[in-house]
Amino acid sequence: DSGVTQTPKHLITATGQRVTLRCSPRSGDLSVYWYQQSLDQGLQFLIQYYNGEERAKGNILERFSAQQFPDLHSELNLSSLELGDSALYFCASSPLRTATNEKLFFGSGTQLSVL
Amino acid sequence: AQKITQTQPGMFVQEKEAVTLDCTYDTSDQSYGLFWYKQPSSGEMIFLIYQGSYDEQNATEGRYSLNFQKARKSANLVISASQLGDSAMYFCAMREGQSGGSNYKLTFGKGTLLTVNP
Repeated sequence: DSGVTQTPKHLITATGQRVTLRCSPRSGDLSVYWYQQSLDQGLQFLIQYYNGEERAKGNILERFSAQQFPDLHSELNLSSLELGDSALYFCASSPLRTATNEKLFFGSGTQLSVL
Repeated sequence: AQKITQTQPGMFVQEKEAVTLDCTYDTSDQSYGLFWYKQPSSGEMIFLIYQGSYDEQNATEGRYSLNFQKARKSANLVISASQLGDSAMYFCAMREGQSGGSNYKLTFGKGTLLTVNP
């Protein structure tokens, strides 16, 4: 168990809908990262938050947004969903932000299926 | 350009044999970290091993070792005495410093699917 909790584990929805994925980082970790894993794109970095502030953006669509709350949990909001958004969405956490030797602890992921 | 390249989409190994999974990376940073993660069919991402760019010795963690060749920019994972439970997808990843423009995020390769045969 990595200590990172993601809910829900599975989500099935329809095109055009909006969903929210939730992540609780490991106790004490200040950084939260969101990744999208799909068969064709592999593991793509979406966005990083550190202590409530956005710190880095990757290949995140404008239809997607995220935030990190004062209690350090994070939510990833996906709107106007398309079939191509079907993927496994991972949240990961680490204690700091600025250390190249810090490994990321991953949650078990949310499998999103857009029908 | 790809930051992390894993050239082997799939690999097969016999149980109890050793296997090497290749990884090359591209960075202009002097300080960076290299990681290997395992993703079994259940989906979770499991950290295996870490190598720092300034580490002079190759990292080892149990049956896992990392063959780090800095000049060649390669960080191959060696799994000794393969077990059936080692069958999984393996990802090589790199964490650069801020000067690399990546702002400390972890960049992953496409992965290698390892199958251990009995």
